[in-house]
Amino acid sequence: GNSVTQMEGPVTLSEEAFLTINCTYTATGYPSLFWYVQYPGEGLQLLLKATKADDKGSNKGFEATYRKETTSFHLEKGSVQVSDSAVYFCALSDPSEDSSYKLIFGSGTRLLVRP
Amino acid sequence: DSGVTQTPKHLITATGQRVTLRCSPRSGDLSVYWYQQSLDQGLQFLIQYYNGEERAKGNILERFSAQQFPDLHSELNLSSLELGDSALYFCASSKLRPLDRGGDGYTFGSGTRLTVV
Repeated sequence: GNSVTQMEGPVTLSEEAFLTINCTYTATGYPSLFWYVQYPGEGLQLLLKATKADDKGSNKGFEATYRKETTSFHLEKGSVQVSDSAVYFCALSDPSEDSSYKLIFGSGTRLLVRP
Repeated sequence: DSGVTQTPKHLITATGQRVTLRCSPRSGDLSVYWYQQSLDQGLQFLIQYYNGEERAKGNILERFSAQQFPDLHSELNLSSLELGDSALYFCASSKLRPLDRGGDGYTFGSGTRLTVV
């Protein structure tokens, strides 16, 4: 079945450091890929998405490129801020598996940015 | 406000009890998805409804059930509760094909935090 694997956290960085959170996926079809962010005490917010190979999703300085050859969708940001501290989830949707557009999530990576 | 409303926000109940969680989808969305977020299991897909009918089932226990009503709101019923059912339960909604161009993707509610004591 479909699955998403992302790097274990927590990831602790100093402000203005470069961020990479790794995400790889397994899918039977041709999935769409997402990054969601969850701030403390809140629900999930879409950060960015990509629907086909080589697409780059970007938002708020974050970006991720859909790499079909390596089945990856790594999240990057050039300079993190304290306000980026949150839990980040990689997810996929692959309706070819069961005609459902459900999202399959990775385990989440907690990011802590220190001033 | 995301447009998806979940009630209650917090629920504390005893083992063996039954609770009902409610989700009102964003206006115009016909699909509702339920997820369980626990510390050890991450975000697990439970079940999806589309326009009143079950569409997909994930890791949902037999003690749990759900339904979607004609007004499109959905309820998740959890019975014979155990300590391990303590979690954050999220609902999300979407149109039929959320991945299509202009499909608007998915909208998540803020969740119901269930504590079983």
